[in-house]
Amino acid sequence: AQSVSQHNHHVILSEAASLELGCNYSYGGTVNLFWYVQYPGQHLQLLLKYFSGDPLVKGIKGFEAEFIKSKFSFNLRKPSVQWSDTAEYFCAVNARDSGYALNFGKGTSLLVTP
Amino acid sequence: GAVVSQHPSRVICKSGTSVKIECRSLDFQATTMFWYRQFPKQSLMLMATSNEGSKATYEQGVEKDKFLINHASLTLSTLTVTSAHPEDSSFYICSATGLGNTIYFGEGSWLTVV
Repeated sequence: AQSVSQHNHHVILSEAASLELGCNYSYGGTVNLFWYVQYPGQHLQLLLKYFSGDPLVKGIKGFEAEFIKSKFSFNLRKPSVQWSDTAEYFCAVNARDSGYALNFGKGTSLLVTP
Repeated sequence: GAVVSQHPSRVICKSGTSVKIECRSLDFQATTMFWYRQFPKQSLMLMATSNEGSKATYEQGVEKDKFLINHASLTLSTLTVTSAHPEDSSFYICSATGLGNTIYFGEGSWLTVV
């Protein structure tokens, strides 16, 4: 069965600091990988996704993620965070043989202080 | 672009009653839709996979007699919470997969059982 682990549950950063959120998954086959963001009181938004090709994926709002197959990882990065990045971040995985249902990590709560 | 719409966005019902939540794909056909549940400050948990024209596939631990799913057409799936109890209060989200395996989420439905 698939599983997704997000190691950082709560992260506090100052504005302009760099961000890296860890995501590891366990699955033996080919997967698709996603990062979603949920701002307070809002619904999920897709930040970026990886299906195939270049393992370094660039998403919206200056976020990027790198798929490292050997490490089963898909860490999210942003070189300089802003106060408006305060949100909950979810890593998710799906695969064809599970009908493409998304399996979410438990989420990381990011607080960016001025 | 493709949109998935959920209705109602918020509903309050009395304990013991049933409530129906609709999920519509507005400009594409979705043979498969997914229903998720999100408790406050927690991740999304897949409840079931809704398949057009056939029975839904429920995740382990989800009571199929309590959470009735009907996918009567290629653009509509409904989730009915039967004999609702306060512990069913949650945020319910549907998603549908469009062209190129792009996943679209509904806006979510807040259910409060009093």
